Amino acid sequence: QSVLTQPPSVSGAPGQRVTISCTGGDSNIGTAYDVHWYQHLQGLGPKLLIYGNNIRPSGVPDRFSASKSGTSASLAISGLQPEDEGDYYCQSYDKSLGGAVVFGGGTKLTVL
Amino acid sequence: QLHLQESGPGLVKPSETLSLTCTVSVDSVTSSSYYWGWIRQPPGKGLEWIGTVYHSGTTYKNPSLASRITMSVDTSTNQFSLKLTSVTAADTAFYFCARVNRWSASGSFDSWGQGTLVTVSS
Repeated sequence: QSVLTQPPSVSGAPGQRVTISCTGGDSNIGTAYDVHWYQHLQGLGPKLLIYGNNIRPSGVPDRFSASKSGTSASLAISGLQPEDEGDYYCQSYDKSLGGAVVFGGGTKLTVL
Repeated sequence: QLHLQESGPGLVKPSETLSLTCTVSVDSVTSSSYYWGWIRQPPGKGLEWIGTVYHSGTTYKNPSLASRITMSVDTSTNQFSLKLTSVTAADTAFYFCARVNRWSASGSFDSWGQGTLVTVSS
């Protein structure tokens, strides 16, 4: 069972907007630790999508955005495209585990 | 463009040691800007952090795996490596190596290898 909780799946039609939540607690997201988001498409290594809670690396479309509030974070994808279909993971750190890296369980995005 | 490539046996027997190497292209493993990490994904499951190593030899390990993990950096070959001892079927997974960007990406894993499947079976 993951320290960070994500919905197992979300779906949306092309052009629509979806959000993926990442729920933690006072020892991880609720601290000053940053939240990062990764996109994992089948057959490839994961790709950094968002770092530092809400910053897009160079080359990531502005259709992807994220936020953090309290003990939760969320990733929003607008203007869904078929190539967005894949798995999405949030990642932070946990104070109760000595600052260990923790991932969410992952969310499977299906583009209908 | 940075490239990371995992290599190692695809099949390991139970109770033996899993050994993987990650070859880094373009960047230097001795850069003060980066740590180097290992993450795994059991088939059909999510990502699990294994550990992170700095070129000085400093390591950070997943508490649940710490007693079985050894990580190191080889500056002469620009590689870093992972050893996981006493493996069981539960260690069957895709293993990824990744770069941790300390400064310009807030400590995230900003570049990943494509992964390698390691199966534990007799």
